[in-house]
Amino acid sequence: QVQLQESGPGLVKPSETLSLTCTVSGGSFSSYYWTWIRQSPDKGLEWIGYFYHNGNTQYNPSLRSRATMSLDTSKTQFSLKLTSVTAADTAVYYCARCLGVIMAFDIWGQGTLATVSS
Amino acid sequence: DIQMTQSPSPLSASVGDRVIITCQASQDIGNYLNWYQQKPGKAPKLLIYDASNLKTGVPSRFSGSGSGTDFTLTISSLQPEDIATYYCQQYDNFPFTFGPGSKVDMK
Repeated sequence: QVQLQESGPGLVKPSETLSLTCTVSGGSFSSYYWTWIRQSPDKGLEWIGYFYHNGNTQYNPSLRSRATMSLDTSKTQFSLKLTSVTAADTAVYYCARCLGVIMAFDIWGQGTLATVSS
Repeated sequence: DIQMTQSPSPLSASVGDRVIITCQASQDIGNYLNWYQQKPGKAPKLLIYDASNLKTGVPSRFSGSGSGTDFTLTISSLQPEDIATYYCQQYDNFPFTFGPGSKVDMK
């Protein structure tokens, strides 16, 4: 049974970098697209981007210049860094597994709240 | 970006009612449309992929249909555990986008 678990600081100061990690247990990294999605009352569900194990990445253009994703296969973790954060980046951040051929998010982490505030 | 709209929200229904939620895309997305269910404080769960394919383990009272720009999610007989918010999501174009959600509550 594949499980995903997000981790990261709950509070980040404006203009700093938000760093989140997703630990994958019970499954393989291959053949799937590892995804970050966030949810806020203002914007609803927003796809941030995905990372494929061969290095192929796609980002939401609205975040591309600030978001970087990476994969650590040895630790079965993937991460998200979001630079120059503002209050608008306050959200629950989810990591999710994307099937690939069908771009559906079939397994999600429980989500982690990241608040941007001084 | 492809804009997704949903209706109605909120939707009040009784146990046993047939519930229909619609999702409309701002352009033709073929059948590249997925549906999710989210309960308060929980992550969304995939219900239907490619507009009409039920994910394994999802109750058969859920069904999806449509193609192009207009899609529906149907709950044939609403159960108390179906109280949730439902989202559609397109993957025809980057960036993938979600609808605003349709909240279903009990009348």
